[in-house]
Amino acid sequence: GESVGLHLPTLSVQEGDNSIINCAYSNSASDYFIWYKQESGKGPQFIIDIRSNMDKRQGQRVTVLLNKTVKHLSLQIAATQPGDSAVYFCAENYGGATNKLIFGTGTLLAVQP
Amino acid sequence: DTEVTQTPKHLVMGMTNKKSLKCEQHMGHRAMYWYKQKAKKPPELMFVYSYEKLSINESVPSRFSPECPNSSLLNLHLHALQPEDSALYLCASSPDTSTDTQYFGPGTRLTVL
Repeated sequence: GESVGLHLPTLSVQEGDNSIINCAYSNSASDYFIWYKQESGKGPQFIIDIRSNMDKRQGQRVTVLLNKTVKHLSLQIAATQPGDSAVYFCAENYGGATNKLIFGTGTLLAVQP
Repeated sequence: DTEVTQTPKHLVMGMTNKKSLKCEQHMGHRAMYWYKQKAKKPPELMFVYSYEKLSINESVPSRFSPECPNSSLLNLHLHALQPEDSALYLCASSPDTSTDTQYFGPGTRLTVL
């Protein structure tokens, strides 16, 4: 379940299952969205992005879905592996000439072997 | 080469010290960023440089002083920091400041005593 304060929302899945990580974004004018993966002690690593003129984009084992009506973004990971264990952040770009990213709170994905 | 490098990896400093964090990229990117990340929190934007000029300062205290000597380098000069400034400092770069993907370095873990 979800908790607040010092605890990240956590998603626990079995190895081989599919994972879905959700994100609600704040600004209806945002036109670019990115998912990042951050492993312990490392910087955020780009996974996949999507622009507001699309509602779905697929990469290798990952799919991002965008629902602009309800300002919702999701990341689907197929056949989750132990190496997928990390904190996942969505980020929205307000657009314009500043490329200012606003990050979501993050979700900890824990893959059980 | 899609790498952003940061030095040092770890830094411990006293409140009266002066130190600098360094960031380098050789991707030809013209926008560079400093973010601050506290434990279990998302990265928060501090500064944006576009074509070696400061374009965004997110109301960061003056004890943090950024510098962009050339298009490949970004420094963050630190002076008279407080213990609450202890955090992971992340550098990122993007091709320019339109809505482009930002690529992050591994960060510098800063501890202020």
